Amino acid sequence: EDKVVQSPLSLVVHEGDTVTLNCSYEVTNFRSLLWYKQEKKAPTFLFMLTSSGIEKKSGRLSSILDKKELFSILNITATQTGDSAVYLCAVCKVYNQGGKLIFGQGTELSVKP
Amino acid sequence: NAGVTQTPKFQVLKTGQSMTLQCAQDMNHEYMSWYRQDPGMGLRLIHYSVGAGITDQGEVPNGYNVSRSTTEDFPLRLLSAAPSQTSVYFCASSPRGGRSTDTQYFGPGTRLTVL
Repeated sequence: EDKVVQSPLSLVVHEGDTVTLNCSYEVTNFRSLLWYKQEKKAPTFLFMLTSSGIEKKSGRLSSILDKKELFSILNITATQTGDSAVYLCAVCKVYNQGGKLIFGQGTELSVKP
Repeated sequence: NAGVTQTPKFQVLKTGQSMTLQCAQDMNHEYMSWYRQDPGMGLRLIHYSVGAGITDQGEVPNGYNVSRSTTEDFPLRLLSAAPSQTSVYFCASSPRGGRSTDTQYFGPGTRLTVL
């Protein structure tokens, strides 16, 4: 059975800290791995990773994929209160004529001033 | 572009009632999906569509029906609501072709409570 597991499930840090969120997966017919940020509303897209070892960066956020060990990490440096959200990891698998997303449970990040 | 829109934002139903959650997108996306989000369980796929007239089941399809008569609209019907269907429902869409298919755009969600 396909599964995506995120850890930790929740995390409380102070502004300026660096955090690492983990995502491991067991999914057949892997296409890509995606990270989303969810702030009390719809998930918004952060990154899509398809190849191992290539780091994606956007400001203070970065992510990397290891397709051999089947995991990804999302790093956030110099955290701000605006980073408080649920971070969702999803794996897209080949499915019928397109792709199907399988989500992890999410990591709830709270950044205190 | 309005992107993906969903109505209503909130809904309370009694057990056994039926209703339709509306979803529309104006990006000419071929792929559309419905997810439900429950605490501690991430998002789970209910139904999806790869184009007008084509639908298929996801992980948790029981109790829900869909149809796709146009590219823009993808309504989700609850046939006989049950308390287990209390959840937040998200509609998503993505363009066809290559890796862009994987990046789904989500609507604002509908919070449904079944008493």
